Amino acid sequence: GAVVSQHPSWVICKSGTSVKIECRSLDFQATTMFWYRQFPKQSLMLMATSNEGSKATYEQGVEKDKFLINHASLTLSTLTVTSAHPEDSSFYICSARRGEGKNQGNQPQHFGDGTRLSIL
Amino acid sequence: QQQVKQSPQSLIVQKGGISIINCAYENTAFDYFPWYQQFPGKGPALLIAIRPDVSEKKEGRFTISFNKSAKQFSLHIMDSQPGDSATYFCAASMSNSGAGSYQLTFGKGTKLSVIP
Repeated sequence: GAVVSQHPSWVICKSGTSVKIECRSLDFQATTMFWYRQFPKQSLMLMATSNEGSKATYEQGVEKDKFLINHASLTLSTLTVTSAHPEDSSFYICSARRGEGKNQGNQPQHFGDGTRLSIL
Repeated sequence: QQQVKQSPQSLIVQKGGISIINCAYENTAFDYFPWYQQFPGKGPALLIAIRPDVSEKKEGRFTISFNKSAKQFSLHIMDSQPGDSATYFCAASMSNSGAGSYQLTFGKGTKLSVIP
């Protein structure tokens, strides 16, 4: 099955630090990757949609300058939380969807195992 | 505005019983309805998915029932096992082109506990 790897799985850092999270599709090419944020006992909230080679599309209320997304290749997208503060502490999850063209809609999203970010 | 409403919030089922989770959607443009299973500290894993052209899909112990006219779909877990204890999310997406296409709209989740 489709495998999406997310790294690191857990990071603790001091306030003001920038943190980069990587999301890789290991066995397929992902034209689109999504970044979510999940608070404890809550659902996933879409932060942004990332298409390879183009700028990410951010959801309303998500700060573009705070959460930098780069999708430089068909297998890698990165999320950088810049100048992180305690309120940025959360579980960040990426997903990847393979394929392109008219069959895009038939392809499910495959999720990574998430990154637990704790800002002290 | 919550576009996908999921119930119940939590569910306790005896081992061997049937677990039923319901979802209702509002946007008639949705044409893909997956269910995800999430264990603590892990990302969601795709369990089963359905499209509006069928009313039911079964994969092993998991069945999706879909009612297009009522804009509702449900997940049935037959012969529930303690290992099924997890949080289940229903979701919906649309495959037309344009802004918002292919994005998943999630329900709020159901925490299932299967007791021995």
